Amino acid sequence: AQKVTQAQTEISVVEKEDVTLDCVYETRDTTYYLFWYKQPPSGELVFLIRRNSFDEQNEISGRYSWNFQKSTSSFNFTITASQVVDSAVYFCALRTNTGFQKLVFGTGTRLLVSP
Amino acid sequence: GAGVSQSPSNKVTEKGKDVELRCDPISGHTALYWYRQSLGQGLEFLIYFQGNSAPDKSGLPSDRFSAERTGGSVSTLTIQRTQQEDSAVYLCASSLVASASSYNEQFFGPGTRLTVL
Repeated sequence: AQKVTQAQTEISVVEKEDVTLDCVYETRDTTYYLFWYKQPPSGELVFLIRRNSFDEQNEISGRYSWNFQKSTSSFNFTITASQVVDSAVYFCALRTNTGFQKLVFGTGTRLLVSP
Repeated sequence: GAGVSQSPSNKVTEKGKDVELRCDPISGHTALYWYRQSLGQGLEFLIYFQGNSAPDKSGLPSDRFSAERTGGSVSTLTIQRTQQEDSAVYLCASSLVASASSYNEQFFGPGTRLTVL
């Protein structure tokens, strides 16, 4: 079975603080993809990143960084120097080769950044 | 080019009525997916279409839910005898051909917010 757990339901920070969103996944597949999506108040899902299971290199894109650790089945997302515009619900998702027909999503983490 | 579009954007219905939700995928995308986002829940997979292959209906929560895809393009999700627990945002996504050996990005539509009174 495939499962994604985002234990943090809601996080509140003040602008310029760093924040890390946790994601833990479960799968027996050896080949899989992990994703992060952002859902702003407008409701549309915005794709942020995709990593495959063979690439454990951490990635940085501007203020965003991702830490993929297969040893702990985690794919955490850090926002550095958060801004009000970062306020949104963030979803972590998993796609396996045996379940390629779908993305399995976590329940999301609501991030509120206050000025 | 045009993205995935869904209609209506909002739908309010009374318990027991049937509703139809529409999805127009990106032109040329052979794979189409429906997901449901209920309050406090993540996105749950409902159904998947790929070309002329039999759809994967494994995520449909009950036999009140059905979907079809006509001509390999537009898809309609139908909920019969709606219940209050059906209230959710229904999201459609499409992608180029889906397979186990490769990944093609799923592009999501804006969703249809369904409220069952």
